[in-house]
Amino acid sequence: DAGVIQSPRHEVTEMGQEVTLRCKPISGHDYLFWYRQTMMRGLELLIYFNNNVPIDDSGMPEDRFSAKMPNASFSTLKIQPSEPRDSAVYFCASTSSGSGYEQYFGPGTRLTVT
Amino acid sequence: AQSVTQLDSQVPVFEEAPVELRCNYSSSVSVYLFWYVQYPNQGLQLLLKYLSGSTLVESINGFEAEFNKSQTSFHLRKPSVHISDTAEYFCAVSREGGKLIFGQGTELSVKP
Repeated sequence: DAGVIQSPRHEVTEMGQEVTLRCKPISGHDYLFWYRQTMMRGLELLIYFNNNVPIDDSGMPEDRFSAKMPNASFSTLKIQPSEPRDSAVYFCASTSSGSGYEQYFGPGTRLTVT
Repeated sequence: AQSVTQLDSQVPVFEEAPVELRCNYSSSVSVYLFWYVQYPNQGLQLLLKYLSGSTLVESINGFEAEFNKSQTSFHLRKPSVHISDTAEYFCAVSREGGKLIFGQGTELSVKP
């Protein structure tokens, strides 16, 4: 398996622009997680899905952030409009209930908002 | 509510010395415990995990961790570290439902 795939790996955008981050989980996994990592706040869980349904979005910072999972093999995290304080590394991870909930992380998307 | 505390934010150590990275968790129910490692500019990788059974778990590169239920701890140890072990290490706890609660991370710096 190719592991969790994220795109793009790097994104530089201007404040006010829309940003879309993409994730393909490992085939067969029924949980998908979006995290954000910064030096100041460490690793934060933003939202997670089970069987394509959002279960807990309490970590989503504000209405500018939205996430979707239209099918079992694809998820997006969208920021509209973006702000400089959104600059961070965004990770996607997936797992299955049959694996003891060991999460497999993607390589991350490094977002810079200028 | 569950929480994870990593007692040291930074641990500097010389090569070939032993190291212990400390992790305590709070939970009133059975949990699964994990250590993840993050090398610079990479994602997190699972280092080892405790689900059940033997309280001592080992990784393929010489790390081990012991689940201590009475102390609610899951400390990570290695008897002799290498330069290549320099990374950030995260302790995490999960119960049924798939969600992981991560500690703040410990930066291990191995010096020659």
